[in-house]
Amino acid sequence: EIVMTQSPATLSVSPGERATLSCRASQSVSSNLAWYQQKPGQAPRLLIYGASTRATGIPARFSGSGSGTEFTLTISSLQSEDFAVYYCQQYNNWPPAYTFGQGTKLEIK
Amino acid sequence: QLQLQESGPGLVKPSETLSLTCTVSGGSISSSSYYWGWIRQPPGKGLEWIGSIYYSGSTYYNPSLKSRVTISVDTSKNQFSLKLSSVTAADTAVYYCARHSSSSDYWGQGTLVTVSS
Repeated sequence: EIVMTQSPATLSVSPGERATLSCRASQSVSSNLAWYQQKPGQAPRLLIYGASTRATGIPARFSGSGSGTEFTLTISSLQSEDFAVYYCQQYNNWPPAYTFGQGTKLEIK
Repeated sequence: QLQLQESGPGLVKPSETLSLTCTVSGGSISSSSYYWGWIRQPPGKGLEWIGSIYYSGSTYYNPSLKSRVTISVDTSKNQFSLKLSSVTAADTAVYYCARHSSSSDYWGQGTLVTVSS
């Protein structure tokens, strides 16, 4: 099983600043990585797939990078609506399985 | 616009079987491009993939849950279903259904299932 590790667990950033979230895979997943945003009481929303491709309707301030085992989600200028929990997910060995990271909570500083 | 909606009991007794259905509207579950999956989230915790099904009936399960999980599809009703047997309090979670090719682009709103006597 591929284990996904996100860091930090909690990130405190001021509105307007840049946020950088990390995700590491226990073995290479190539570019088969997605990022999701989840707000309280809501289902996750797909932000990024293929490590760097924004999903439909996602603002350009969200960008993804990386390949292999190291990945980054960058939010260039934080808006109030961006404070949420972010999850990475690998799908390199899909099918038959995929796995999520444990999440990073992005909170207002 | 594709929509997914979970339905089923919100309370299940320990040792019994949890049963949920996801109804897909605004698109066909028989699309050859997609799988249909279940993901759960215990209160205050992260996301866990449970399993997925293709419209043909091919299934894929999380190895940690495989012995207790059954996912089925009913293409005539545009629905797919989850059964999780021998539940315990650890199975208390919000259960989501979702569409995915690789990443999951459409999700249901989620339904809280509590395991308690």
